[in-house]
Amino acid sequence: EVQLVESGGGLVKPGGSLRLSCAGFGFSFSDAWMSWVRQAPGKGLEWVGRIKRKSDGGTTDHSAAVRGRFTISRDDSKNTLYLQMNSLKTEDTAVYYCTTVTLVTAGSLDSWGQGTLVTVSS
Amino acid sequence: DVQMTQSPSSLSASVGDRVIITCQASQDIGNYLNWYQQKPGKAPKLLIYDASYLEPGVPSRFSGSGSATDFTFTITSLQPEDFATYYCQQYDNLPLTFGGGTKVEIK
Repeated sequence: EVQLVESGGGLVKPGGSLRLSCAGFGFSFSDAWMSWVRQAPGKGLEWVGRIKRKSDGGTTDHSAAVRGRFTISRDDSKNTLYLQMNSLKTEDTAVYYCTTVTLVTAGSLDSWGQGTLVTVSS
Repeated sequence: DVQMTQSPSSLSASVGDRVIITCQASQDIGNYLNWYQQKPGKAPKLLIYDASYLEPGVPSRFSGSGSATDFTFTITSLQPEDFATYYCQQYDNLPLTFGGGTKVEIK
């Protein structure tokens, strides 16, 4: 069974940094494309970005809202996905989910973690 | 970016009712559309991909149809465990974008 476990959330001041982690279990992590999706309190879902597997180039794509501030990376030796968040803004407050991305469609988010809450406030 | 417009934003229904949710894309996305279910305090769950294909284990009372810009999600006989918020999501273009969600509540 696929399991994704996020960690690293918390309270941070505007302008601060935080790194989220997502550990994957029960599947071949190195063969997976992975993504981050966030959800502000009481709001809908917003895609943050994705990272392809190394055999597909390991490249990343980020949404315009976070490009230049957030960086997605992976360590396949640790079966872990990361989201480095810099220059945080109050509007980045959200639950952050990591997901797997199906290779069949390259756009379906078929397994999700439980989420980790990031609160940006002074 | 492809804008996804879902309607209604909320609805009240009874157990056994047929529920229909629509999703409109701002441009032709082929059949590159998914539907997710999210219950309060939980992560979303993928129900339907490629507009009409059920994920394994998803009950057959859920279905999806449509192509290009207009899509429909149907629950043929609403069950107590189906009260949740439903989202459509396109993957024809980056960024992946979601509809605003439809909250299905108990009448």
